[in-house]
Amino acid sequence: DTGVSQDPRHKITKRGQNVTFRCDPISEHNRLYWYRQTLGQGPEFLTYFQNEAQLEKSRLLSDRFSAERPKGSFSTLEIQRTEQGDSAMYLCASRGPWDTQYFGPGTRLTVL
Amino acid sequence: TQLLEQSPQFLSIQEGENLTVYCNSSSVFSSLQWYRQEPGEGPVLLVTVVTGGEVKKLKRLTFQFGDARKDSSLHITAAQPGDTGLYLCAGDYNFNKFYFGSGTKLNVKP
Repeated sequence: DTGVSQDPRHKITKRGQNVTFRCDPISEHNRLYWYRQTLGQGPEFLTYFQNEAQLEKSRLLSDRFSAERPKGSFSTLEIQRTEQGDSAMYLCASRGPWDTQYFGPGTRLTVL
Repeated sequence: TQLLEQSPQFLSIQEGENLTVYCNSSSVFSSLQWYRQEPGEGPVLLVTVVTGGEVKKLKRLTFQFGDARKDSSLHITAAQPGDTGLYLCAGDYNFNKFYFGSGTKLNVKP
């Protein structure tokens, strides 16, 4: 399968713990995006990378959130000191040369 | 903050009926995409439109992009239960990131 993959698919954690999610984009895509989606809403932009450079971060991305894409391939999104309000679906997408954006299956985070 | 407005928010119809969902903005899109999402899964791309006035067809789905590139519609002919899902539009204003509408939740009853 050459689509976007995300790991884990589901994560349950206790408030105050740190969590890290991984995204593997489509290999020839140089742009990678992170979104957050809460129930009943569309995805909200968090941040994006062009190759290894993080070009934009949303104000939604507090200082507890950090994202990396060290070699311009896979990316990680870390949330430190999780709060219940962080519970959401975290979606990764990669974007190809014809401006098409493809999503992974998402990581569902539940903070207890 | 959602910069795109989708309507209706919810739609429940019988199998075989036709429907149209709308996506509107006050800004001009560089490109616009429509997605379908099922519970617990990521959005699946249906179509990308980039040219004002463009019409694309995907089997029973017809997508239109407004002449001014500020709005779009998705029309489904003879809806089937398998069409049930959340339909999302996403607009790209400046070739970097997409803004999503809040979606139209469609339920097609057999």
